[in-house]
Amino acid sequence: KNEVEQSPQNLTAQEGEFITINCSYSVGISALHWLQQHPGGGIVSLFMLSSGKKKHGRLIATINIQEKHSSLHITASHPRDSAVYICAVKGMSGGSNYKLTFGKGTLLTVNP
Amino acid sequence: GAGVSQSPSNKVTEKGKDVELRCDPISGHTALYWYRQSLGQGLEFLIYFQGNSAPDKSGLPSDRFSAERTGGSVSTLTIQRTQQEDSAVYLCASTLAGTSGYNEQFFGPGTRLTVL
Repeated sequence: KNEVEQSPQNLTAQEGEFITINCSYSVGISALHWLQQHPGGGIVSLFMLSSGKKKHGRLIATINIQEKHSSLHITASHPRDSAVYICAVKGMSGGSNYKLTFGKGTLLTVNP
Repeated sequence: GAGVSQSPSNKVTEKGKDVELRCDPISGHTALYWYRQSLGQGLEFLIYFQGNSAPDKSGLPSDRFSAERTGGSVSTLTIQRTQQEDSAVYLCASTLAGTSGYNEQFFGPGTRLTVL
């Protein structure tokens, strides 16, 4: 069982819709990353957070440490938001405090 | 400034041949990671370099895989006697010094390896 679970695996939305992607993890962490990967493209780090909430443009990331859960929200979605969104966590001790454990990603398609 | 670069961007090879993949991290980043992304799978940690410390090789899938980092900068990942299951995108990432959980990783564009 993967330590990092994302849902949904696939998400199709209409332009303008509000998007939520969820990430649950089973271990204590020191930080959680949300990453974006466009088809055939590299990976871009969107957020790195260890508590609370961060906002960048139309993107919002939240994390609840007690519940071991994070969400990535996209407001007013646009076709250019179409990509794979990946959740990754960094552990707290030993070797795990520098390694990332990745979810399998959520494929988002935003139709015009 | 320049980001993480990787070469080649694509590599097609025959089963049994050796391949070498290169990563140029961001200047000043002392930590470097190699990951593998197989079709339909999440990213998988392969190896981690931090400064002059011994690398963490715990993610390397077999002894056919090895990696070096010369001069604390450029890194090469070598796969010997490639197999079809080695086909994947190999990603490199670098980050600032330290083992803190708060350092953002910057990813390269990846090398897509196809083993025929």
